Amino acid sequence: QKEVEQDPGPLSVPEGAIVSLNCTYSNSAFQYFMWYRQYSRKGPELLMYTYSSGNKEDGRFTAQVDKSSKYISLFIRDSQPSDSATYLCAMSADSSASKIIFGSGTRLSIRP
Amino acid sequence: GAVVSQHPSRVICKSGTSVKIECRSLDFQATTMFWYRQFPKQSLMLMATSNEGSKATYEQGVEKDKFLINHASLTLSTLTVTSAHPEDSSFYICSALRGSRGDTQYFGPGTRLTVL
Repeated sequence: QKEVEQDPGPLSVPEGAIVSLNCTYSNSAFQYFMWYRQYSRKGPELLMYTYSSGNKEDGRFTAQVDKSSKYISLFIRDSQPSDSATYLCAMSADSSASKIIFGSGTRLSIRP
Repeated sequence: GAVVSQHPSRVICKSGTSVKIECRSLDFQATTMFWYRQFPKQSLMLMATSNEGSKATYEQGVEKDKFLINHASLTLSTLTVTSAHPEDSSFYICSALRGSRGDTQYFGPGTRLTVL
């Protein structure tokens, strides 16, 4: 069993829809949770960074962490074609972020 | 911001040659940098952790003599793929740790290596 599970997709939704991306994990030691966006042939770009359980909002993006269920989510409101990318969840057990475990990534496509 | 650059962005080389990839943190000092490898439609696989002024720590299965890492300054780490073979063709991405407690890794744009 992988430490972090993420549905690879692809996920295709119409422009303006709300997108929900999810990951599950097995290691209860994870405390820090991240979402990265990666465009084709580019490096990952940090979108959201949260600590422990709860919600965090930044513009059209909302990250949720439920440690009791070992489940994290990223919601994208009013999705745009420019949001089309691969989204990677990632998590770490320590604040130094020296060991990050990545999900396999979900390919998202927003149809105009 | 936390900007990390990589050079070159793309390189094509002949089998048996060596290739050097540079990773720079442009607006912060990074005592720790990381090198990842990513195959098409797959996630990032950590190859090694590079600490300034000390030897790199390699992940299991990564040949340290083939993938030479040097972290000579707080803003520069280099990865040299020695005696490259076609199976080394991949997307290599570095990241840098800004160092503050509760901070995370910031990634470079990646280098696509093609070995003929």
